[in-house]
Amino acid sequence: SQKIEQNSEALNIQEGKTATLTCNYTNYSPAYLQWYRQDPGRGPVFLLLIRENEKEKRKERLKVTFDTTLKQSLFHITASQPADSATYLCAFNAGNNRKLIWGLGTSLAVNP
Amino acid sequence: DVKVTQSSRYLVKRTGEKVFLECVQDMDHENMFWYRQDPGLGLRLIYFSYDVKMKEKGDIPEGYSVSREKKERFSLILESASTNQTSMYLCASRGAGSYNEQFFGPGTRLTVL
Repeated sequence: SQKIEQNSEALNIQEGKTATLTCNYTNYSPAYLQWYRQDPGRGPVFLLLIRENEKEKRKERLKVTFDTTLKQSLFHITASQPADSATYLCAFNAGNNRKLIWGLGTSLAVNP
Repeated sequence: DVKVTQSSRYLVKRTGEKVFLECVQDMDHENMFWYRQDPGLGLRLIYFSYDVKMKEKGDIPEGYSVSREKKERFSLILESASTNQTSMYLCASRGAGSYNEQFFGPGTRLTVL
């Protein structure tokens, strides 16, 4: 079945460094991947979408890559700040494009 | 500013009660979703609706039903609440078109005693 995996271990980095989060998928070739941020006790908030024919997408300090050969997306936050501390979720479209398959998320802590 | 609102942030109910969770979006979106989120299990889709009066089961529909009588409103119903339905419930909406993102509400933390 379609599966999506994210780093289960929390990521701790120092302020100012680049955070890199990984999302791997199997048994499927999605048309796109989405990344969301979720703060404790709140709903996820959309950050970026990358399509299968795009190698890279940027938005301010955020960068997403999509490698269809490796079946992997990488999410980078450059010049990280303590305010970037949150859980980051990746998701891809299911076959009929009506719903998303979600990863479990990776918790990021940026230490001052 | 786009908005998805949910009727309650916190709700406490007793086993066997009928529970209604309401979700309203003001973006004229065709698609609406109900998820539950539990530690270690992530977001799990309960039901979704792609049009008024249309619904489709998600991954864990057992014990739940939904209603979508108007485009802006999507209700989740727990016919007879059980303790294993204690969870964070999240509603989301999405516009038509393949590449649109989902907009989430603030969530309802439901406790069933």
